[in-house]
Amino acid sequence: NAGVMQNPRHLVRRRGQEARLRCSPMKGHSHVYWYRQLPEEGLKFMVYLQKENIIDESGMPKERFSAEFPKEGPSILRIQQVVRGDSAAYFCASSTDLAGDRYFGPGTRLTVL
Amino acid sequence: KQEVTQIPAALSVPEGENLVLNCSFTDSAIYNLQWFRQDPGKGLTSLLLIQSSQREQTSGRLNASLNKSSGRSTLYIAASQPGDSATYLCAPSSGGSYIPTFGRGTSLIVHP
Repeated sequence: NAGVMQNPRHLVRRRGQEARLRCSPMKGHSHVYWYRQLPEEGLKFMVYLQKENIIDESGMPKERFSAEFPKEGPSILRIQQVVRGDSAAYFCASSTDLAGDRYFGPGTRLTVL
Repeated sequence: KQEVTQIPAALSVPEGENLVLNCSFTDSAIYNLQWFRQDPGKGLTSLLLIQSSQREQTSGRLNASLNKSSGRSTLYIAASQPGDSATYLCAPSSGGSYIPTFGRGTSLIVHP
């Protein structure tokens, strides 16, 4: 059973471009969480999704950021019109249910030039 | 809003010592609490998961305890090794959606 997969591992974008980050949860996991880790800071929750539904997006900026977890395929975190402050490591985690272990992916490191 | 504090922020010890890492949280209405380690530039590796009804969990040289009512958890590492060097994070799950909230971690260095 492969672990949580994230791609790309590293992403470089210029200001104003779009960034698309992908997360494939572990097999059998229907809960996905996205976190952002800024340099020298802790992990900050962004959004929690189940298949085809956003459950909690209280940590996600209202503008430029969106997330989806379609019935088929990976979860996508999309950042439009990136700015330098978006440079960070973005991690996703998956679980089977609310009570289970969260398993984290290796992260996508976004650099905005 | 859940706030998580981890003490100490950093720790440097010689190999073989027994260690105690502390985690405190402000909202005691948690569903469970998970301990992770993070190596530099890497993702998080789950170490232990304690459900709110449990007092402790053990895995090898690691033991995590939970005192839910006082908002505290402790990770005990026995006979530390250089390979234990990493940042250790605790994450209680709380709120209506049981979202894990992370502290800033304890950065551990175990030198030979």
